[in-house]
Amino acid sequence: QKEVEQNSGPLSVPEGAIASLNCTYSDRVSQSFFWYRQYSGKSPELIMSIYSNGDKEDGRFTAQLNKASQYVSLLIRDSQPSDSATYLCAVNLMGTGGGNKLTFGTGTQLKVEL
Amino acid sequence: DGGITQSPKYLFRKEGQNVTLSCEQNLNHDAMYWYRQDPGQGLRLIYYSQIVNDFQKGDIAEGYSVSREKKESFPLTVTSAQKNPTAFYLCASSSSPFLGSYEQYFGPGTRLTVT
Repeated sequence: QKEVEQNSGPLSVPEGAIASLNCTYSDRVSQSFFWYRQYSGKSPELIMSIYSNGDKEDGRFTAQLNKASQYVSLLIRDSQPSDSATYLCAVNLMGTGGGNKLTFGTGTQLKVEL
Repeated sequence: DGGITQSPKYLFRKEGQNVTLSCEQNLNHDAMYWYRQDPGQGLRLIYYSQIVNDFQKGDIAEGYSVSREKKESFPLTVTSAQKNPTAFYLCASSSSPFLGSYEQYFGPGTRLTVT
């Protein structure tokens, strides 16, 4: 089992729809969770951080964390073509010797279609 | 203007040559990291440093070396011992992992091609 797992996609959604991206992780004691957006050929950009169970909203983005079920998700409302990118989930895996590092999933490719 | 700079953006080398990738940050961050990314794959950690004059191996350190003589700088050398050096190399930094701040910010990357 991968430590941080994402569906590689591509996930295709029509413009204006809600895109839902999911991530599961293996370590029950992880405390810090991040979503990065990476456009093709560019470096990752941090878009959301979440540390507590529940929802955290920032503009069109909502991060959802459920530590009991060990998953974190990212919702993008009113999806735009400019949201087309690969979204990386990153977790600080405290319980498996992760220490002060982040472990990244392989990313989900999102395509927003006109 | 605060940020992380990496140079050069593109780098071409012949097989058997060592090459050094530059990473500089003016964010006053304590920790710095090097990752490589191959097409269609996630980020793999090469080396990281949480404090000046100290660094640790990541998951794929073989064939690479680093130094951390200054807080602002964390250069990566890709040696001839690295079997498949062609990749996109990303440098990142975070403010204070020791204090629980794990958010990492990335530089623009260096695309290395070895032929």
